[in-house]
Amino acid sequence: GQNIDQPTEMTATEGAIVQINCTYQTSGFNGLFWYQQHAGEAPTFLSYNVLDGLEEKGRFSSFLSRSKGYSYLLLKELQMKDSASYLCAVRDLSNVSSNSGYALNFGKGTSLLVTP
Amino acid sequence: DTGVSQNPRHKITKRGQNVTFRCDPISEHNRLYWYRQTLGQGPEFLTYFQNEAQLEKSRLLSDRFSAERPKGSFSTLEIQRTEQGDSAMYLCASSNVRDIPYEQYFGPGTRLTVT
Repeated sequence: GQNIDQPTEMTATEGAIVQINCTYQTSGFNGLFWYQQHAGEAPTFLSYNVLDGLEEKGRFSSFLSRSKGYSYLLLKELQMKDSASYLCAVRDLSNVSSNSGYALNFGKGTSLLVTP
Repeated sequence: DTGVSQNPRHKITKRGQNVTFRCDPISEHNRLYWYRQTLGQGPEFLTYFQNEAQLEKSRLLSDRFSAERPKGSFSTLEIQRTEQGDSAMYLCASSNVRDIPYEQYFGPGTRLTVT
């Protein structure tokens, strides 16, 4: 199994930049995903990292350091609609024999509030 | 709409009753997952199908829970003798084995309330 830790809540101002951190412990790491979830809605895919480094996609970027078990999601030019929960999820192949490698293990999520 | 759909969206039941939820994945997706999410928590993996084969069940899935995907398309999740602790959002997701990184697309969920 693995522990996935992320801050519970964050607040940031419209137009600013915010960084949401995620740390994990796993023996069979096979990718880290970030999802956005608005209240009462389904999670939607934001980004994927499997190699070290930064992946940029518009206003959102995600970074991974496998040696440190660390990732962050960077949101630039914050908008009010970015207020949501941000979920860090890890795919773990340490139990391949039971074909569990495709399930995602989620953190508890970080609730981001963007204020005017 | 070609996304993942789930029915019903809301279900209120009395403790001890059986409930069944349905998930229709994206049509070309051969992998289907069930998760459970409670307030303030991330989704927790329950079970996973590749085509019609159920390949993994979480330890969270008690004997009261059963899932099927008989023709490799839609799936059902049944909870027998519901308990108040079963109250949660039940999420279904699907993915395609050919689409790296096999990102999962989630449906809107079925919110279960056990009274």
